[in-house]
Amino acid sequence: AQSVTQPDIHITVSEGASLELRCNYSYGATPYLFWYVQSPGQGLQLLLKYFSGDTLVQGIKGFEAEFKRSQSSFNLRKPSVHWSDAAEYFCAVASGGGADGLTFGKGTHLIIQP
Amino acid sequence: GAVVSQHPSWVICKSGTSVKIECRSLDFQATTMFWYRQFPKQSLMLMATSNEGSKATYEQGVEKDKFLINHASLTLSTLTVTSAHPEDSSFYICSARETGAALYFGPGTRLLVL
Repeated sequence: AQSVTQPDIHITVSEGASLELRCNYSYGATPYLFWYVQSPGQGLQLLLKYFSGDTLVQGIKGFEAEFKRSQSSFNLRKPSVHWSDAAEYFCAVASGGGADGLTFGKGTHLIIQP
Repeated sequence: GAVVSQHPSWVICKSGTSVKIECRSLDFQATTMFWYRQFPKQSLMLMATSNEGSKATYEQGVEKDKFLINHASLTLSTLTVTSAHPEDSSFYICSARETGAALYFGPGTRLLVL
């Protein structure tokens, strides 16, 4: 069965600093990988996704993620965070060509310090 | 991007009553929709996969007689929580699959059972 691990429950970053959120997955074949952001009480917004091709994926809001098969990782990065980036971030994996539902990590809560 | 709506966004009901939640894809046809449940400060857990015109597929541990799913058209899926109890209080989120395995999430429905 597939699984996703987000090792950091909370991360605190100063505004303007760089950010990296970790995500490791477990899946036998080539995974479909996603990063979503959730603001309090809100639904999920897709930041970016990886299906195939270039392993460095650009997303919205200045986010990017790199798929590293050898490390089973799909870490999310942003060079300079803004206070509005404070939210919950979820990494997710899909199998079955995306026909199945997503398996989510437990999420990382991002706190931005002024 | 594609838009998925949910109605209602908030619902409060008495224990023992049934609650229906609608999930609509507004600008695309979704042959597959997914229902998730999220408890406070936790991740999303897939409850069931809903395919248009066929019976839903439920994840292990999800009671199909309690959580009735109907996917009568390519743009609408409904989740009915039957005989709701306080432990059913949660945040219910649907997602709809567009072509190319892209998944879009609705804004969620917060259910409170008194």
